[in-house]
Amino acid sequence: DTGVSQDPRHKITKRGQNVTFRCDPISEHNRLYWYRQTLGQGPEFLTYFQNEAQLEKSRLLSDRFSAERPKGSFSTLEIQRTEQGDSAMYLCASSWFPTRYNEQFFGPGTRLTVL
Amino acid sequence: AQSVTQPDIHITVSEGASLELRCNYSYGATPYLFWYVQSPGQGLQLLLKYFSGDTLVQGIKGFEAEFKRSQSSFNLRKPSVHWSDAAEYFCAVGNYGQNFVFGPGTRLSVLP
Repeated sequence: DTGVSQDPRHKITKRGQNVTFRCDPISEHNRLYWYRQTLGQGPEFLTYFQNEAQLEKSRLLSDRFSAERPKGSFSTLEIQRTEQGDSAMYLCASSWFPTRYNEQFFGPGTRLTVL
Repeated sequence: AQSVTQPDIHITVSEGASLELRCNYSYGATPYLFWYVQSPGQGLQLLLKYFSGDTLVQGIKGFEAEFKRSQSSFNLRKPSVHWSDAAEYFCAVGNYGQNFVFGPGTRLSVLP
């Protein structure tokens, strides 16, 4: 098991472009979470999936943000019409539910820079 | 509303000195509490967690934390800091099956 992986690690884009990030969770984990982390802040929850079902998406920052997990394995986070304020680290985490501990394992993140 | 505060934005300690990072939380139910560490360019690594039972929990890398319900605190401690401990530390609160709420983090610098 290699842990949670994210691709790309860095993305530089111009304002107005669309970007998509991928997250591959730990293989046996059924829950997958997306967080955003801006400079000097802790991670901020965006959305999460259990298998392919998106159970919480009200925290997505705007309708420009969307996430999918079509087969209950990897997930993608898309940001349409990027803005400079979208520049941040986007973190993915996974866990097995139900479990007593609900421990989430984090990937290395994708750093987005919007010019 | 759930929230986590970490009063110290930045702490500097000398190598070999003891460390305490503060964390206070606001949570309506019995919280699950976590401390994560993040090195530059890296993801978050779990140091330790508390769910119930003994209020003093041991973690990896020689860290420990004490849950104090009366103070709504979950402070992280280490008796002797190593230069490799320099990183950002995040306290988080959650509950069974819920997403985490993170604090703003404390950046630890270690002097040689």
